Amino acid sequence: AQSVAQPEDQVNVAEGNPLTVKCTYSVSGNPYLFWYVQYPNRGLQFLLKYITGDNLVKGSYGFEAEFNKSQTSFHLKKPSALVSDSALYFCAVMGNTGRRALTFGSGTRLQVQP
Amino acid sequence: DVKVTQSSRYLVKRTGEKVFLECVQDMDHENMFWYRQDPGLGLRLIYFSYDVKMKEKGDIPEGYSVSREKKERFSLILESASTNQTSMYLCASSPLAGGTDTQYFGPGTRLTVL
Repeated sequence: AQSVAQPEDQVNVAEGNPLTVKCTYSVSGNPYLFWYVQYPNRGLQFLLKYITGDNLVKGSYGFEAEFNKSQTSFHLKKPSALVSDSALYFCAVMGNTGRRALTFGSGTRLQVQP
Repeated sequence: DVKVTQSSRYLVKRTGEKVFLECVQDMDHENMFWYRQDPGLGLRLIYFSYDVKMKEKGDIPEGYSVSREKKERFSLILESASTNQTSMYLCASSPLAGGTDTQYFGPGTRLTVL
């Protein structure tokens, strides 16, 4: 079975400071990893994904994530947070064997203070 | 732009009613998915479909069924609604068999069962 852990329910950061939203996963085979964001009263939007290749993945709105196979992690990062980044962030995983559907984490609410 | 639409943003039903949630995508995607989103639990997969008339159970299929008679439309059916099915329901689609490509989400339907 595949699973995702987002250990922090909420992350608070001041505008202009770097942010990290943590994600660890468990999956059979090689992982396909995704980050999605949900703004208030909106559906989920794709941010970035890791399928293969370079461990550092760059995505939308200045976000990036680093795949670390030994630590089974895929933390989301941004060098300088904006107030408009405040939202709910979901990590998701799928293995390249077994069921071909995503498993999502419980979500992390990011609050960026002015 | 990919567009995934859901028939209602808000829905209120009574216990025991049969409820239909409709999802339509306009990009000829093979894959379609139904999730429910609950605070602290993230997104949980109810059912998914890789092709017309195909369906596979997700993690929480009990109390739900689905129908995919046309490629662009994926319906979620609550045979006899119960209060514990009060939730946000999200539909998604993705373009490739195997599911490694990005999922595109609809705006969601907030269902309340009284």
